[in-house]
Parts: sequence; structure tokens; C-alpha cells
Amino acid sequence: EAQVTQNPRYLITVTGKKLTVTCSQNMNHEYMSWYRQDPGLGLRQIYYSMNVEVTDKGDVPEGYKVSRKEKRNFPLILESPSPNQTSLYFCASSLKGSTEAFFGQGTRLTVV
Amino acid sequence: QQQVKQSPQSLIVQKGGISIINCAYENTAFDYFPWYQQFPGKGPALLIAIRPDVSEKKEGRFTISFNKSAKQFSLHIMDSQPGDSATYFCAPFSGSARQLTFGSGTQLTVLP
Repeated sequence: EAQVTQNPRYLITVTGKKLTVTCSQNMNHEYMSWYRQDPGLGLRQIYYSMNVEVTDKGDVPEGYKVSRKEKRNFPLILESPSPNQTSLYFCASSLKGSTEAFFGQGTRLTVV
Repeated sequence: QQQVKQSPQSLIVQKGGISIINCAYENTAFDYFPWYQQFPGKGPALLIAIRPDVSEKKEGRFTISFNKSAKQFSLHIMDSQPGDSATYFCAPFSGSARQLTFGSGTQLTVLP
């Protein structure tokens, strides 16, 4: 089954404790991105990657890091999480040249 | 700067009624106009989309109307069903930036 898989689905952590949210897609998509969803704000792009070893900032990159060492994986790293990063996070992928994005199931992160 | 304004924030419709959601944008670089549908606990999924060279597109009970001069597009759901209850996002796409810009979302509830 073609899908984007995120882990974990739920995470509660404390301020300052580094964490990684994993994202993997099995559709051989070149383009991957991370979004955060907050009430009343829709989804905002954090980082995106056009292909392996190519990443760039989205609209709200502060406090986040990403890496793209393999085509299928695009982890999101919070090196020192803060309460304002409490949110619902989505990973998405798409084919180069395509306008349709495929989203994962989401990761609900709470930073206390 | 809010590039995409979506309204209403929430909408309650009786079964069989028509649901209408509107989206206004500012960025003339947008060149593809999709609507995404999100069910609770799931990621958004592409519902229907339109290119700017047409004014209307219909897929089953779902229709997009597009007004390029007014920089607006809307989603019409005919014969609304309880299974349509979800959050809907307009997310105009810029091919040059390869980026979706999401509206704030509309929570649709269809009463049985």
C-alpha cells in the first residue's frame, strides 16, 4: 500500500529534551515536506526537500532541523523543544512535477 | 501577511443541503487551486483541484468555481451527506516555489 508513515503518533516530552519524529514514504517521491497544524492557522510548512541531500526552509523553520540522507526518509528534529512547539505535525510527499501531496497520519506533540 | 483567507471557519448543514466554502488569495504566482479534505485523526487528502484556465470543475457532488480576476475560488458540495463531515482546506499551489499555502480550514458538520 502506497503511504507516508510517521512515528510516533503521539509524544509528550519535556522542554529541552531532544526528539526526532520519523517520516518514511514508499512511493519513490522526490519531494518531501513537514508541516505543523495549529487551530485557526491551517497547515504551515516547516521544511521541505526537493531530493536527497537537498533541503530548504519553509515558512516556520525556527527551532527545527531536518535531514534527507535517503530518498524515502525525512526525519524532523527538535534539538531543544519548547512549549510553543506543541502542535500536530504532518509529513507529506509528492512526485517531482506533480501538484498532489500525500500526507502521513500526523504526530501530536506536547512539550511541557 | 495572510496570503490565503478561507471562510467560514465552521459550517453546519442539513443532510441533502448545499455546503459552500470560500477562499481568497493574494499571491498571483499561484497556478493550481486544490481543496484538501481532512477527517479526524487523519492527514489531509486531495479532494478536487482546478487549473486557472477554467472557471469550473465538477467531480460528482463536488464543484470548484474559480474567479481569476477576483482571486477567489470556492468549493460547493451538493446533496451534503453526514460522511462529508470533515475539515476542508483550500491550499493554492505555486509551481515556481513548489509550495502549498493552506487556508485556515473550515469545519463542516452535516446533520443527519
